[in-house]
Amino acid sequence: EVQLVESGGGSVKPGRSLRLSCAASGFTFGDYAMHWVRQAPGKGLEWVSGITPNSDTIDYADSVKGRLTISRDNAKNSLYLQMNSLRPEDAAFYYCVKDGATTISPPRFENWGQGTLVTVSS
Amino acid sequence: SYVLTQTPSVSVAPGKTATLTCGGNNIGHYSVHWFQQKPGQAPVAVMFYDSDRPSGIPERFSGSNSGTTATLTISKVEAGDEADYYCQVWDSTVDHAVFGGGTKLTVL
Repeated sequence: EVQLVESGGGSVKPGRSLRLSCAASGFTFGDYAMHWVRQAPGKGLEWVSGITPNSDTIDYADSVKGRLTISRDNAKNSLYLQMNSLRPEDAAFYYCVKDGATTISPPRFENWGQGTLVTVSS
Repeated sequence: SYVLTQTPSVSVAPGKTATLTCGGNNIGHYSVHWFQQKPGQAPVAVMFYDSDRPSGIPERFSGSNSGTTATLTISKVEAGDEADYYCQVWDSTVDHAVFGGGTKLTVL
């Protein structure tokens, strides 16, 4: 069974940094593209970033480009999201999502973690 | 960028059919995916590529896509189908996934 467990969320002040992690199990992590998708409380879904299995292709939503960095460690079955220069509008649940293929375009959001909450407030 | 429009809310009685729509310019030329999100839970895929049901999704769920509207149809609606439903496409002009605003399905 595919399991995706996010961690690292919390409350930070604007301009500060946070690093999210996603521990994957139940599948061969290094065979699949991965994504982060976020959802502000009470709002809709927004794709944030995607990464191919060997990290050769990475893409970001325009709203986070230059501030958020996706990465992965296939040896540790882990996905990461380094979040710098955080803004109030970055406050959301962040979901780790397994793709159904090796490419990030187009994506196929097959399995979702339970999410980790990031709050940005002074 | 590409915009997907969903009706904010739909109500249906148990046992009836719910029709959820997702509108977009020439959406029939896109592959549409649908996600179900129950309160306090993560989204779950219920339909890929317009009409392909993932493993474990009941046959009561079906999908179609043509012209300017994609449709997710849920027949014989049950109380457990009450959730928010989001449609999603890939906007190849900007290489970004795009989600609709979501439809809240209420089972009366």
